[in-house]
Amino acid sequence: GAGVSQSPSNKVTEKGKDVELRCDPISGHTALYWYRQSLGQGLEFLIYFQGNSAPDKSGLPSDRFSAERTGGSVSTLTIQRTQQEDSAVYLCASSAAGTGAGYEQYFGPGTRLTVT
Amino acid sequence: KNQVEQSPQSLIILEGKNCTLQCNYTVSPFSNLRWYKQDTGRGPVSLTIMTFSENTKSNGRYTATLDADTKQSSLHITASQLSDSASYICVVSARWEKLIFGAGTRLAVHP
Repeated sequence: GAGVSQSPSNKVTEKGKDVELRCDPISGHTALYWYRQSLGQGLEFLIYFQGNSAPDKSGLPSDRFSAERTGGSVSTLTIQRTQQEDSAVYLCASSAAGTGAGYEQYFGPGTRLTVT
Repeated sequence: KNQVEQSPQSLIILEGKNCTLQCNYTVSPFSNLRWYKQDTGRGPVSLTIMTFSENTKSNGRYTATLDADTKQSSLHITASQLSDSASYICVVSARWEKLIFGAGTRLAVHP
């Protein structure tokens, strides 16, 4: 079966523009996570979805960041008025459930965002 | 503050040699600890997951250990191969849904 897919793989945008990143989780996975990985840094948690609801949005760095998930499947992460510090790799992961050590998170390949 | 620190930051070894990567954490309450392998340009892939009660877990040539008392973990790679060249990330979960990532150890295996 297909793994987690993300699009686009690379995105270059001008400062101040809005961008939308897409994540297609593994079919049937109810939990979906967004992370950000800056150069030389560890992954940073952004937001977690269980179904279509987001019980934990604590990692979103500012109100320019938002995310939604529809139909319990595809999720989009939107960054408005992009800034240079938003440049990073944005990773999406999904798991069969949101709890339990056995519910492994499977990661997509990421979207590399460059803000010029 | 919940933190995960890894050492060394980078490591070069010769093919066939063993190596050990370290992870110290201050995450509380502790739920589980994971080691991931991340190839360049790819998403992380899980190697092991350990809960509080487990102190060692193996996955092929990878063996992870956990000392929950000292809040330390290690990942031992045996008989390294060129394909082991990657970043190895220690991840600790304070709550089931939220993972706290270390910055990773970048391993290069040379022929």
